[in-house]
Amino acid sequence: SQKIEQNSEALNIQEGKTATLTCNYTNYSPAYLQWYRQDPGRGPVFLLLIRENEKEKRKERLKVTFDTTLKQSLFHITASQPADSATYLCALGDDKIIFGKGTRLHILP
Amino acid sequence: DGGITQSPKYLFRKEGQNVTLSCEQNLNHDAMYWYRQDPGQGLRLIYYSQIVNDFQKGDIAEGYSVSREKKESFPLTVTSAQKNPTAFYLCASSRLPENTGELFFGEGSRLTVL
Repeated sequence: SQKIEQNSEALNIQEGKTATLTCNYTNYSPAYLQWYRQDPGRGPVFLLLIRENEKEKRKERLKVTFDTTLKQSLFHITASQPADSATYLCALGDDKIIFGKGTRLHILP
Repeated sequence: DGGITQSPKYLFRKEGQNVTLSCEQNLNHDAMYWYRQDPGQGLRLIYYSQIVNDFQKGDIAEGYSVSREKKESFPLTVTSAQKNPTAFYLCASSRLPENTGELFFGEGSRLTVL
């Protein structure tokens, strides 16, 4: 069955450094992959979408890569700030969209 | 403002009772989704719908039912057959995937079974 794996351990990063989160998937060939941010008690908010024919996508301090051979996406936040602390979710799918468990990111001041 | 609205925000239910969660969107989106989230867990797909009067089961549909009689509405019923219904329920909508798959989420409904 389709499976998405994110590092479920919390990730602690010093303010100003780059945070890198990983999303691996199996038994799937998605046309695109998405990343979302979720704050406690709130619904997820869309951040970035990257298509299978795109290797990299950027939006302000965010960068996403997509390696369909490795079946992996990396999500980077550069110049991280305490306000970036949240849970980040990876999602795959065309009509049926499934999510990974997310990675909790803590940016330490 | 355009958006997706879930109600109620908090709901308490006695065991054996059915309860219906509301989800309404005014974004003119074709696709709608229901997810369940348990503490410290990711989102698990319950049901989704791409078009009015049609819907498909997700990964954890047992004990739930939905309807899609109108494009803007996708209510979820948590039935007494759902053995562990206490959770945070999230509704989302999107344009059809060939345009963009970006999901817009509501603020969620927290259901507690007493």
